Amino acid sequence: EPEVTQTPSHQVTQMGQEVILRCVPISNHLYFYWYRQILGQKVEFLVSFYNNEISEKSEIFDDQFSVERPDGSNFTLKIRSTKLEDSAMYFCASSVRTEAFFGQGTRLTVV
Amino acid sequence: DQQVKQNSPSLSVQEGRISILNCDYTNSMFDYFLWYKKYPAEGPTFLISISSIKDKNEDGRFTVFLNKSAKHLSLHIVPSQPGDSAVYFCAASDPSNYQLIWGAGTKLIIKP
Repeated sequence: EPEVTQTPSHQVTQMGQEVILRCVPISNHLYFYWYRQILGQKVEFLVSFYNNEISEKSEIFDDQFSVERPDGSNFTLKIRSTKLEDSAMYFCASSVRTEAFFGQGTRLTVV
Repeated sequence: DQQVKQNSPSLSVQEGRISILNCDYTNSMFDYFLWYKKYPAEGPTFLISISSIKDKNEDGRFTVFLNKSAKHLSLHIVPSQPGDSAVYFCAASDPSNYQLIWGAGTKLIIKP
């Protein structure tokens, strides 16, 4: 069964460092998303991506964040200069329309 | 401003009984509602959805009911099984951008 895969499963980084979280969406899906969940809190929308451009982004998705689909299969989230409060589970998702399928997540720990 | 609310942070149900998880929303433009199940340290797993033009959708042990006038939906699980213990998220789809708006989740505990 097709699935969304995310790498790495856990990333530890020093504050101020850049991180890239990687995702391989389901191949025939058209919409791509990043969400995050800070421990104990609700899942929060970060950004949606369609037709090779950002279609929507939340207030959380500031200039520190960027997304890219460099080769038609990978979908990456880059955080330029990580802060302690960026520590969270980051989930990638893809969909044909509304039923988004999620990856297992990347746990980002900023120290 | 919470557009999707799940007012019960947790719910405990006896195995074999019915579990009812509730969700309220404020935006009448939402056109699709979804329930996701989430185990610790895993991504949310899609469970069941309902279009705003319907009032009920059933899939095996899971049934979702939608009351548009009350802006309320519920997920019924019957009979509840130990493997159903998880956090359940209600999400609504904004038709202008297909963005999912999430509730805070309800932790369901199935007791033996």
